[in-house]
Amino acid sequence: QKEVEQNSGPLSVPEGAIASLNCTYSDRGSQSFFWYRQYSGKSPELIMFIYSNGDKEDGRFTAQLNKASQYVSLLIRDSQPSDSATYLCALSTNAGGTSYGKLTFGQGTILTVHP
Amino acid sequence: GAGVSQTPSNKVTEKGKYVELRCDPISGHTALYWYRQSLGQGPEFLIYFQGTGAADDSGLPNDRFFAVRPEGSVSTLKIQRTERGDSAVYLCASSLSGGEETQYFGPGTRLLVL
Repeated sequence: QKEVEQNSGPLSVPEGAIASLNCTYSDRGSQSFFWYRQYSGKSPELIMFIYSNGDKEDGRFTAQLNKASQYVSLLIRDSQPSDSATYLCALSTNAGGTSYGKLTFGQGTILTVHP
Repeated sequence: GAGVSQTPSNKVTEKGKYVELRCDPISGHTALYWYRQSLGQGPEFLIYFQGTGAADDSGLPNDRFFAVRPEGSVSTLKIQRTERGDSAVYLCASSLSGGEETQYFGPGTRLLVL
């Protein structure tokens, strides 16, 4: 089992809809969770991070974390064609009492928002 | 201010050759990471530097791969006796001091081994 699992997609949604991206992970010691967006041919850029169970909202983006179910998701409201990209789920794990930011990524979900 | 820069942006080499990939992190960032990304996959951790020292090199695939950061800023990833399977995008990221801060990624170096 991969440490971080994402559906590779592609996920296609109409403009203005809610896009829901999901990620599961296997290591219960995982502490911090990140969503990165990667446009084709570009490097990843951080959208959101979440540490605590529950929801965290930032503009059109909401991250949801459920540590008991080992599940993290990203909702994008009012999706725009410019949101079309690959979304990478990543986590960092506390190692020996210190989390130094080593990220483990999923394979990414390709999102296409069509007009 | 300037972001993370990487050179070269593209590198084509022949199997068996030696290559060096350079990363210049954001000024003042003490933590530096190297990742490798193959087509259709997420980035894969290679090595983490805190200052000049490699705090975690557990992601380096074998002893053909080596990285240095002699003065605590610029880092060089070195690959000896390159193989076709080494072809990938090599990404460098930096953060202020490690931990759970935002990692800022460079544009990557696309390595193609023929």
